[in-house]
Amino acid sequence: DSGVTQTPKHLITATGQRVTLRCSPRSGDLSVYWYQQSLDQGLQFLIHYYNGEERAKGNILERFSAQQFPDLHSELNLSSLELGDSALYFCASSVGRRGNSPLHFGNGTRLTVT
Amino acid sequence: GQQLNQSPQSMFIQEGEDVSMNCTSSSIFNTWLWYKQDPGEGPVLLIALYKAGELTSNGRLTAQFGITRKDSFLNISASIPSDVGIYFCAGQLNAGNMLTFGGGTRLMVKP
Repeated sequence: DSGVTQTPKHLITATGQRVTLRCSPRSGDLSVYWYQQSLDQGLQFLIHYYNGEERAKGNILERFSAQQFPDLHSELNLSSLELGDSALYFCASSVGRRGNSPLHFGNGTRLTVT
Repeated sequence: GQQLNQSPQSMFIQEGEDVSMNCTSSSIFNTWLWYKQDPGEGPVLLIALYKAGELTSNGRLTAQFGITRKDSFLNISASIPSDVGIYFCAGQLNAGNMLTFGGGTRLMVKP
């Protein structure tokens, strides 16, 4: 158990809809990262938050947004969903900006858009 | 942007054989990480490398951080069926930066 909790585990929704994915980082971790993994593909970085502030953006669509709350949990919002958005979405956390702090991943949310 | 080339893409080996996979990058990283992903789960950290030339072991796994800081390899000795999964390398430029992942090596072990 990595200590990173993601909910829900599975999500099935229709095109055009909006969903929210939730992540609780490991206790003490200030950084949260979101990654997308399409079928049989590697992990694509979406966005990084540190202590409530956005730090870096990757290949994140404008239809997607995220935030990190004062209690350090994070939410990834996906709107105007398309079939191609079907993927596994992973959250990872780490201690933060200093020192050696590898990322620890949750078990992901599997999103299916029909 | 940074690219990580991981090879081989897949391997099908006999139980007991040794396995080797590697990653190369077009630019340097200051940290190399190796993860394993089982079906339906998130990647799990296997080995972290923080210094060029570093060789680190974790049980039957051994990984090295290339001296040029542009490559890394992972060896698995005496493979067993539970080694099956997808292995990802990842590079990190600095602490707190995002990870860049390789495309993964799918390992299949025949009992």
